[in-house]
Amino acid sequence: EIVMTQSPATLSVSPGERATLSCRASQSVNSNLVWYQQKPGQAPRLLIYGASTRATGIPARFSGGGSGTDFTLSISSLQSEDFAVYYCQQCNSWPLTFGGGTKVEIK
Amino acid sequence: QLQLQESGPGLVKPSETLSLTCTVSGGSISGSDYYWVWIRQPPGKGLEWIGSFYYSRSAYYNPSLQSRVTISVDTSKNQFSLKLSFVTAADTAVYYCTRHGHYAPLDYWGQGTQVTVSS
Repeated sequence: EIVMTQSPATLSVSPGERATLSCRASQSVNSNLVWYQQKPGQAPRLLIYGASTRATGIPARFSGGGSGTDFTLSISSLQSEDFAVYYCQQCNSWPLTFGGGTKVEIK
Repeated sequence: QLQLQESGPGLVKPSETLSLTCTVSGGSISGSDYYWVWIRQPPGKGLEWIGSFYYSRSAYYNPSLQSRVTISVDTSKNQFSLKLSFVTAADTAVYYCTRHGHYAPLDYWGQGTQVTVSS
């Protein structure tokens, strides 16, 4: 099983600032890495797939990077609606696994 | 626009079987090149993959749940289902139905349904 580790667990950021979230896989997942955003009481929302491709309707301030075992999600100029929990997930091999999440909170 | 909707009991007794159904609208399960999936999220915790079912009848399950879980598809009703046997309080969670392609993301999600295991 591929273990996905996200850091930090909580990120305190002021509106308008940049946030950088990390996700590390215990073995290579190639570029088969996905990012989701989840707000309280809602289902996760697809943000980024293939490590760096934004999903339909996702603003350009969201960007993903990395390959192999180390990945990042960057959010430039945080907006009020971006404060949420972010999960990474590998879709390279069974079982599918998620990171523990990073909560982006208002500083 | 594809839509998924979970349904089923919100309360299940310990040692019994949890049964949920996901109704898919706006697209057909049969003949599609997608896996139909269940994910769960315990209160205050992260996301856990339960299993994925492919229309050609192959299924993949989380090893930690494999002995207790079955996912099946009813193409006549455009639905897929989850059965989780011998539940305990640790199975209390919001259960989501979703889908993914091969090496692809979970792109469409249901709104989720809360299931509590309690006597």
